[in-house]
Amino acid sequence: EPEVTQTPSHQVTQMGQEVILRCVPISNHLYFYWYRQILGQKVEFLVSFYNNEISEKSEIFDDQFSVERPDGSNFTLKIRSTKLEDSAMYFCASRRPGSGEAFFGQGTRLTVV
Amino acid sequence: DAKTTQPNSMESNEEEPVHLPCNHSTISGTDYIHWYRQLPSQGPEYVIHGLTSNVNNRMASLAIAEDRKSSTLILHRATLRDAAVYYCILRGSMEYGNKLVFGAGTILRVKS
Repeated sequence: EPEVTQTPSHQVTQMGQEVILRCVPISNHLYFYWYRQILGQKVEFLVSFYNNEISEKSEIFDDQFSVERPDGSNFTLKIRSTKLEDSAMYFCASRRPGSGEAFFGQGTRLTVV
Repeated sequence: DAKTTQPNSMESNEEEPVHLPCNHSTISGTDYIHWYRQLPSQGPEYVIHGLTSNVNNRMASLAIAEDRKSSTLILHRATLRDAAVYYCILRGSMEYGNKLVFGAGTILRVKS
């Protein structure tokens, strides 16, 4: 069964450092998303991406965040200067046109120290 | 803010049916009702979705009230593996676009 894969599974970084979280969505999907979940809290929407541009973003997704689909297969989330409060599980998701089903990856646990 | 209301938690016995309720009194005519679940330490997983008619798939059934102001996710025979947080989410209206807005969900505990 096709799946969304995320790497790394766990990343520890120093405050102020840049991190790139990577995702490989399912191949025929055209809608891509990033969500995050701080420990013990709700899953929060960050950004959606379609046709090589951001289609929607939340208040959380400020200038420190960016997304990219550099090579037609990977979908990345970059945090330019990490803060302690960026520590969370980050989930990538993808969806094909016309389908109501979004497929989520297993997540990347980001720990900022 | 989430536009659905779910009980904080429910408990079920293994091999018995489970009915997970969801209220969505402000649903619009174009909103689809989605259910996702999140097993411990995993990403959310799609369960089922519907618009007006009841829906069945290999995982569950979705019963939608005639006025669409509430719905019920039915797991026909709960297993230990079904212990998870279940989210009822409205998607598809102009207000919400494509994204999924997760609430706190219902924590389902399954007893053996």
